[in-house]
Amino acid sequence: GQQVQQSPASLVLQEGENAELQCNFSSTATQLQWFYQSPGGSLVSLLSNPSGTKHTGRLTSTTVTKERRSSLHISSSQTTDSGTYLCAIDPHTGKLTFGDGTVLTVKP
Amino acid sequence: DAGVTQTPRHEVAEKGQTIILKCEPVSGHNDLFWYRQTKIQGLELLSYFRSKSLMEDGGAFKDRFKAEMLNSSFSTLKIQPTEPKDSAVYLCASRDNNNQAPLFGEGTRLSVL
Repeated sequence: GQQVQQSPASLVLQEGENAELQCNFSSTATQLQWFYQSPGGSLVSLLSNPSGTKHTGRLTSTTVTKERRSSLHISSSQTTDSGTYLCAIDPHTGKLTFGDGTVLTVKP
Repeated sequence: DAGVTQTPRHEVAEKGQTIILKCEPVSGHNDLFWYRQTKIQGLELLSYFRSKSLMEDGGAFKDRFKAEMLNSSFSTLKIQPTEPKDSAVYLCASRDNNNQAPLFGEGTRLSVL
């Protein structure tokens, strides 16, 4: 089965609304990372958060290791936040396994 | 600081051809990854090198895909022979160690006709 599952698959918001993205994983993970991919662009790391809560700018990630889940909260969304958000884990192998992503569309 | 450089950015091949994609990792990084990205399958790992040693050869991708890293500053991914189902974006990434997020290149968009 798929090691990393993300939900929702897509999300449409009005500018200024908050977004909550979920990531569930089936293996224990030494690393959990959130990436952003702009339409047609490459991947950029947003946050590394194997456990606990981390903040950067308008992003907050909370990972509950025992429950094998992580969330990414985007506050006060902007149109430039539109793109795909990918969750990836390293299940003690040294390499990252990715989820299918959440496609976020923020309308003006 | 130069990031991960991939060439070419776009490649069009006919079925049965051999193509070679290139990647220059960030100087000093020890780990290098090749991923394939499609809308249906998402991101799939093709190869993983640590200090130029092949750690992962991508399982199902073994038969026609071969990644090499002859020196620490250059890697190639050869697809031979190409098939239409190989049409995808091929991404290269590098990182210093396990605790860092990998830096990704812009990718090579391959179309096989």
